[in-house]
Amino acid sequence: AQSVAQPEDQVNVAEGNPLTVKCTYSVSGNPYLFWYVQYPNRGLQFLLKYITGDNLVKGSYGFEAEFNKSQTSFHLKKPSALVSDSALYFCAVRDIHDNDMRFGAGTRLTVKP
Amino acid sequence: DTGVSQDPRHKITKRGQNVTFRCDPISEHNRLYWYRQTLGQGPEFLTYFQNEAQLEKSRLLSDRFSAERPKGSFSTLEIQRTEQGDSAMYLCASSSGYGYTFGSGTRLTVV
Repeated sequence: AQSVAQPEDQVNVAEGNPLTVKCTYSVSGNPYLFWYVQYPNRGLQFLLKYITGDNLVKGSYGFEAEFNKSQTSFHLKKPSALVSDSALYFCAVRDIHDNDMRFGAGTRLTVKP
Repeated sequence: DTGVSQDPRHKITKRGQNVTFRCDPISEHNRLYWYRQTLGQGPEFLTYFQNEAQLEKSRLLSDRFSAERPKGSFSTLEIQRTEQGDSAMYLCASSSGYGYTFGSGTRLTVV
């Protein structure tokens, strides 16, 4: 069965600095990988996905993520953080032969002015 | 179509009562999912429908939980004899491809 690990519960960065939120995954076959963001008392909003093709995927709000098959990682990045990026970020994986998506425990990103 | 809708947004119930939540997916999406999210955790898969057929259920879905999607459109999730441990955010998502679109969730508090 697939699984996701987000090794950091919390990431703090200063506004304007680059940010990275880490994610590693485990699947038996080829993965579909996703990042979602959640604001307080809201559902999850889609940021970006990797299905196939270019390992660097670009998503909403200036976020991007790099698929690294050898390291089984899919870290989320942004060159210049905004205070409004502060939220809970979830990495998720689906095996291409499976129907349910598995989520990591989440990383709380705080961007300080 | 404005996305995935869930009703109610919040529900407070006494232990032992039954509750039912509704999810209206994006109309052209044939797949519908229910997830449960507790504080500080990621969403946990509960069950999945393709059209009206319930194709997969998690071990988390005890016999007190039942989900339906009678006409392949909206879905309901019922919890019977609620327990305090059922307090969580219940998220619905729909999909027609690779990714999911989530609703805003129903927050259940069992007192």
